[in-house]
Amino acid sequence: DTAVSQTPKYLVTQMGNDKSIKCEQNLGHDTMYWYKQDSKKFLKIMFSYNNKELIINETVPNRFSPKSPDKAHLNLHINSLELGDSAVYFCASKAGTGNSPLHFGNGTRLTVT
Amino acid sequence: GESVGLHLPTLSVQEGDNSIINCAYSNSASDYFIWYKQESGKGPQFIIDIRSNMDKRQGQRVTVLLNKTVKHLSLQIAATQPGDSAVYFCGVNSGSARQLTFGSGTQLTVLP
Repeated sequence: DTAVSQTPKYLVTQMGNDKSIKCEQNLGHDTMYWYKQDSKKFLKIMFSYNNKELIINETVPNRFSPKSPDKAHLNLHINSLELGDSAVYFCASKAGTGNSPLHFGNGTRLTVT
Repeated sequence: GESVGLHLPTLSVQEGDNSIINCAYSNSASDYFIWYKQESGKGPQFIIDIRSNMDKRQGQRVTVLLNKTVKHLSLQIAATQPGDSAVYFCGVNSGSARQLTFGSGTQLTVLP
């Protein structure tokens, strides 16, 4: 199936740990994103990459480091996890850099205890 | 920066009735607008989009209306069905990279 897939779907970890979330898209898209959705369902952009190059870096703590090994993958590494990092993280992709719909993955629910 | 807000956080409609979900945006330079549906435990799913050179666009049972004068966007769902129950987000492009900024979502509940 063509899709944006993220792993893991659920991630429970303790404060201070380091964790990674992986994302892959097989849609042939050039641009990939990470969004964070809080408990009130508010979706906020974190990062965007186009052809492995960072193009958007919103005000995100530098404990969050995205990595794009190729244009089909955008991983998110989080250092020194904090309680406030608990949220659902969505990966998304779209064709090109112009106006077109984002295709979202099904999310990774991160719970920091 | 852009701010996007939905008028109602929750909306309940009877099955078979029409639903209207409203959204307001702040940046008059925004030229691309989009609606997403998010079901529980899933990612947002694209419904319909519209560019600023149009004021109406129709899909299957859905219509998006754009009023640039008052910076207002609405999603109309005809003959609402139980499967339409979800959270609906409007998105508006903004910023130097024209990234999508989303409103906080409206929870649509379809009553039997």
